[in-house]
Amino acid sequence: GAVVSQHPSRVICKSGTSVKIECRSLDFQATTMFWYRQFPKKSLMLMATSNEGSKATYEQGVEKDKFLINHASLTLSTLTVTSAHPEDSSFYICSASTSGTRGGETQYFGPGTRLLVL
Amino acid sequence: SQKIEQNSEALNIQEGKTATLTCNYTNYSPAYLQWYRQDPGRGPVFLLLIRENEKEKRKERLKVTFDTTLKQSLFHITASQPADSATYLCALSTGGFKTIFGAGTRLFVKA
Repeated sequence: GAVVSQHPSRVICKSGTSVKIECRSLDFQATTMFWYRQFPKKSLMLMATSNEGSKATYEQGVEKDKFLINHASLTLSTLTVTSAHPEDSSFYICSASTSGTRGGETQYFGPGTRLLVL
Repeated sequence: SQKIEQNSEALNIQEGKTATLTCNYTNYSPAYLQWYRQDPGRGPVFLLLIRENEKEKRKERLKVTFDTTLKQSLFHITASQPADSATYLCALSTGGFKTIFGAGTRLFVKA
């Protein structure tokens, strides 16, 4: 149980284009989804927290117009990197939790999406 | 400032031995602490959660301790196997379900 999928697993795009990454909870309803970015050998950096049906809460220093997050349902959240540039190249990971419930503290992570912007 | 420290140096141990990883934190009062495993190019996988009022938690070959006085958690893998080789992340939550992750410690178990 508690499986989270991400699509695509890997994407290469040209500078200036937009890329959408999907995060789905397959066998549970995720009241909260998180988006992280990770650089090689570095910690997960939280970008934003989203609750179903409401606007995402972005961490300090993360541009909300650059990284658009939509949490349309209890099983789907999307991250769109708009007008991507080479410095946006990174490993993006989503996680989902049933926050607000006992055991909801645990985050279940997707397999990650490797983005390379040329 | 708030900080989570995990040993950045890789830990190399022989198969069958016990691996012990350390997580130290400062300027936090976490409600609970979690350990995750991460393989290269993959998302983290949840292993164990321990609450502030718990001293120890076990799951199969895994054991976690939580000392809120020392502000430290120890993560043990007994009878380690080469398949245990991975990066192990410590994560703290102060409530509100926001979690802060350490940079992780890489473990290599040699056959």
